[in-house]
Amino acid sequence: QLQLQESGPGLVKPSETLSLTCTVSGGSISSSSYYWGWIRQPPGKGLEWIGSIYYSGSTYYNPSLKSRVTISVDTSKNQFSLKLSSVTAADTAVYYCARQAITIFGVVIIPQRWFDPWGQGTLVTVSS
Amino acid sequence: QSVLTQPPSVSAAPGQKVTISCSGSSSNIGNNYVSWYQQLPGTAPKLLIYENNKRPSGIPDRFSGSKSGTSATLGITGLQTGDEADYYCGTWDSSLSSYVFGTGTKVTVL
Repeated sequence: QLQLQESGPGLVKPSETLSLTCTVSGGSISSSSYYWGWIRQPPGKGLEWIGSIYYSGSTYYNPSLKSRVTISVDTSKNQFSLKLSSVTAADTAVYYCARQAITIFGVVIIPQRWFDPWGQGTLVTVSS
Repeated sequence: QSVLTQPPSVSAAPGQKVTISCSGSSSNIGNNYVSWYQQLPGTAPKLLIYENNKRPSGIPDRFSGSKSGTSATLGITGLQTGDEADYYCGTWDSSLSSYVFGTGTKVTVL
């Protein structure tokens, strides 16, 4: 079955860039039926959507993070990646990747629906 | 600051029923599908309900979802100790062009 696995440094210094990769196995990231998303959860707090990407490279970002976020896709490796710049302690969180269902409005494809499955998550701590 | 509001906690005895509300607006719940996620302690969230009231394969029918206007509800019947978890609603917000999660509800089995 489809599985997702996050990878990347567990410790990032303040003001630097957080970089994570999600590897998809058991299915193709080039599926036309799904977006691929990043979600984070600060310790003891709730879930926050960061953004999602389509295999073509189309992206949607959380407006509150948009100025610092870049999500990219590498279909040859069946991976997608997250970069979050200028991090602070507030960016300390467990970061999850997940597949996201879409809604099609004519030629517009929007990542509007549910996330499933999710990766196990990876804790990223921002500290000097 | 989430645009979807859930009660912080609900509790009931084993075998009883609990309901969790998720309150939003016309730009999110009112015009988009709602999904629900279960997060057991120390694990990743898992999809419980999608498109307001559909259960993925493997999710028991003790879990149900409904939507009315700008609110959605998750119901859990025959409560079990294994249901102790955090539950989140989620939907698309058309005004924000953003996926939003609820504030989360902790379910405790007494």
